[in-house]
Amino acid sequence: EVHLVQSEVEVKKPGESLKISCKASGYSFTTFWIGWVRQIPGKGLESVGIVDPGDSYTTYSPSFRGRVTISVDKSINTTSLQWSSLRTSDTATYYCVRRPGGVGTYAWFDPWGQGTLVIVSS
Amino acid sequence: QSVLTQSPSASGTPGQRVTISCSRGNSDIGSNTINWYRLVPGAAPKLLIYNNDQRPSGVPDRFSGSKSTASASLAISGLQSDDEGDYYCEAWDDSLNSVIFGGGTKLTVV
Repeated sequence: EVHLVQSEVEVKKPGESLKISCKASGYSFTTFWIGWVRQIPGKGLESVGIVDPGDSYTTYSPSFRGRVTISVDKSINTTSLQWSSLRTSDTATYYCVRRPGGVGTYAWFDPWGQGTLVIVSS
Repeated sequence: QSVLTQSPSASGTPGQRVTISCSRGNSDIGSNTINWYRLVPGAAPKLLIYNNDQRPSGVPDRFSGSKSTASASLAISGLQSDDEGDYYCEAWDDSLNSVIFGGGTKLTVV
């Protein structure tokens, strides 16, 4: 069975750095792209970006380009999302999701990790 | 601001059929495929429909998807209280070169 396991909660101050991770199991890690999706409390879903674990090629949604970095460590089947300087507006739940089909159409998100709640507050 | 447009809310009674729509404002939704997800508090989001009308294994056939050039729809028949939640459509946007979501529709079973 496919699993994407994320840490649960991270509490940080504005200006601090953060790296959250997502460990995949139950399938060949480099075979499927993985995405990160944000949900601000009380708001809808937004795609952060998606990465090909095979070669680490990453495409970011315009709102997140330059603000976050998505990376991959194939040796431990893990994808990460990191910030160098957090803002209070980064407070949200971040889901990692497998993306069969990768970029373009005829692709979808499944399954989803349980989400990491990131709280940025002074 | 969401690039795909959904009605903020929908409701129905047990056993009823409800439809949730997804459009692209004043333009056609295009040729790219639409996927549908449900979010409920305390649980990971779940894929309901992919590639416009395909159901993943384990999703009941009460859920169905359709798409025209104008819009896409998710239909839920035989409505149950467990169907309550927030439903999102999703697609690839060629101009943004990224995934886009609808704003979500909150379904209430009254």
